This record gives sequence, C-alpha cells and structure tokens, in this order.
Amino acid sequence: DTAVSQTPKYLVTQMGNDKSIKCEQNLGHDTMYWYKQDSKKFLKIMFSYNNKELIINETVPNRFSPKSPDKAHLNLHINSLELGDSAVYFCASSQRDRGPGNTIYFGEGSWLTVV
Amino acid sequence: KQEVTQIPAALSVPEGENLVLNCSFTDSAIYNLQWFRQDPGKGLTSLLLIQSSQREQTSGRLNASLDKSSGRSTLYIAASQPGDSATYLCAVVMYSGGGADGLTFGKGTHLIIQP
Repeated sequence: DTAVSQTPKYLVTQMGNDKSIKCEQNLGHDTMYWYKQDSKKFLKIMFSYNNKELIINETVPNRFSPKSPDKAHLNLHINSLELGDSAVYFCASSQRDRGPGNTIYFGEGSWLTVV
Repeated sequence: KQEVTQIPAALSVPEGENLVLNCSFTDSAIYNLQWFRQDPGKGLTSLLLIQSSQREQTSGRLNASLDKSSGRSTLYIAASQPGDSATYLCAVVMYSGGGADGLTFGKGTHLIIQP
C-alpha cells in the first residue's frame, strides 16, 4: 500500500489556468507538507498542516492555496498558473509530536509543466 | 535562518570505492537530520535519520554521522555499486515549541558510480 500518494503525477497546462494537486496519506500522521523542487533541483518547504491547521507558510504567492479537509488529506490548489510555477511538487507527512522517530515520508511527486 | 550546504555538488567514482558525502548546517538547534536518496524522476527515499542526541546511524553499507556542535554530518558509503548512483540529499528539522517543523534541505550531491 502506498503510504503517501499524490495525483496527478504529470500535469501539463496553459498559463492562466487553475489546477489542483491532491495528496493522501494512510499512515495516520497528524502533519502533512507540500514541498517544491525547482528546475535546479532545490527542495523547499511551502506549507505544513498539523491536525488540519496551517503551521508553516513560507513565502509563497497567494495564488497557492492549500486545503486540508481532514488529517489524511492535503490538497494544493494553484490559481492563475505562471511559467515559473513549473516544478515538481512533493507531498509529505509525519507525526509531528512524536518523540525520537520523526521520519518524514514523501510522495512520488507531481510534475507540473506550465506552457 | 537555517542553511544547509552539501559538498561536493557532484561526484563520480569507480565501483567498489568507499566514499564520503558532506553536509553542513548553520544553526545547531536541530531536532534531527535525515539523509535521503532521490533517483531521476522519482520521489525521495529516506535512508537514515539521526536524532540530535545521537552521533551516528548505520544501515547496511551506509553510515551517517552527526556532529551537532560543529554543524556537520557525513554519509559514508562503503563498497559503492552502480545502483548507488542517485542524488543524495541532506535535510535538517528544526525544533519549535509545538514540536518539530519541516525539513530544510541542502542542494544535494549527484553521485555517479562507474561500473
């Protein structure tokens, strides 16, 4: 069973469109994340939700809006897509307040190309 | 603000060699440090996690060390194999009052093992 699954894996869309990437984890974790990997392969955190509440919100354009309907899901909606949004978006989850073991599990990534 | 640096950025060695990948971080107030592997077009796979109170972790041919006070970690790969070719990412988790926060990544070391 896939621990952290995200869909779609590949997405090609035109500038100005609105798109969503969905993420689900079946690990029972209380915290979920979105990371962005740019063209230079640099991974950077975008958002973090703990028990459906936003706890990390890095400097990300407000065109990006995360939505967490429950602890097992964190979806990423992007409005008015721009060329610079092309990247790989990784969803991840962890048990934030666990003691020694705070391993973060990543999804396989969603490759977004804006044309 | 935490910064993570990985040296070298790229490394190519013949099969069978032992090698060391380096990671340094600027803020020693970390919760833990993780080493990940990323294959082309794939997600991240967690290799080793070292808690801030630990000095090293081992898994098979991999050994990771942590010197928190000096802000350094190394990943040692013994008897390298072509299948070890990948990008290796170092990441640290900072500690906040409510528990650990998201990962701060280095830019990775792109490793090629020549058959």
